[in-house]
Amino acid sequence: EIVMTQSPDTLSVSPGERATLSCRASQSLNNNLGWYQQKPGQAPRLLIYGASTRATGIPARFSGSGSGTEFTLTISSLQSEDFAVYYCQQYKNWPLTFGGGTKVEVK
Amino acid sequence: QLQLQESGPGLVEPSETLSLTCTVSGASISDSSYYWGWTRQAPGKGLEWIGSSPYYGGAFHNPSLNSRVTISVDTSKNQFSLKLNSVTAADTAVYYCARQHCGGGGCFHFDYWGRGILVTVSS
Repeated sequence: EIVMTQSPDTLSVSPGERATLSCRASQSLNNNLGWYQQKPGQAPRLLIYGASTRATGIPARFSGSGSGTEFTLTISSLQSEDFAVYYCQQYKNWPLTFGGGTKVEVK
Repeated sequence: QLQLQESGPGLVEPSETLSLTCTVSGASISDSSYYWGWTRQAPGKGLEWIGSSPYYGGAFHNPSLNSRVTISVDTSKNQFSLKLNSVTAADTAVYYCARQHCGGGGCFHFDYWGRGILVTVSS
């Protein structure tokens, strides 16, 4: 099983600032990685797939990068609606696995 | 617009079988470009993939669930289902159904999700 590790657990950021979230895989994924956003009481929402492709309707302030075992989600200028928990997910191998999540909170 | 909706009992007794259904509207479940999957989230915890299946059967399951999982697809109703047997309190979670993109011999991200259903295991 591929283990996904996200850091930090919590990120405190002021509105308008940049947020950088990290995700590390226990083995190479090539680019088989997605990022999801989850707000309280809601289902996860796909942000990024293929490590760097924005899903339909996702604003350009969200960007993904990386390949192999190290990946990054960047939110260039945090808006109020971006405070949420973010998960990475690998789909290189079964079983599919998620990282533990990074909570982005208001500083 | 594709929509997925989970349904089923919100309370299941320990040792019994949890049974949920996901109804898909706005698209055919018989599309070989997709798998149909289940993911759960225990209260205050992260996401755990349960399993995914193509419409023609042959699901992949999370081995951490010790073969307690069955995922089936009913193309006549445009629905897919989850059965999890021998449940314990540790199976208490919000259960989500979702559509998974597949192609070129692989399967990828989940692009559409249901709103989730809370299932509590308790006597």
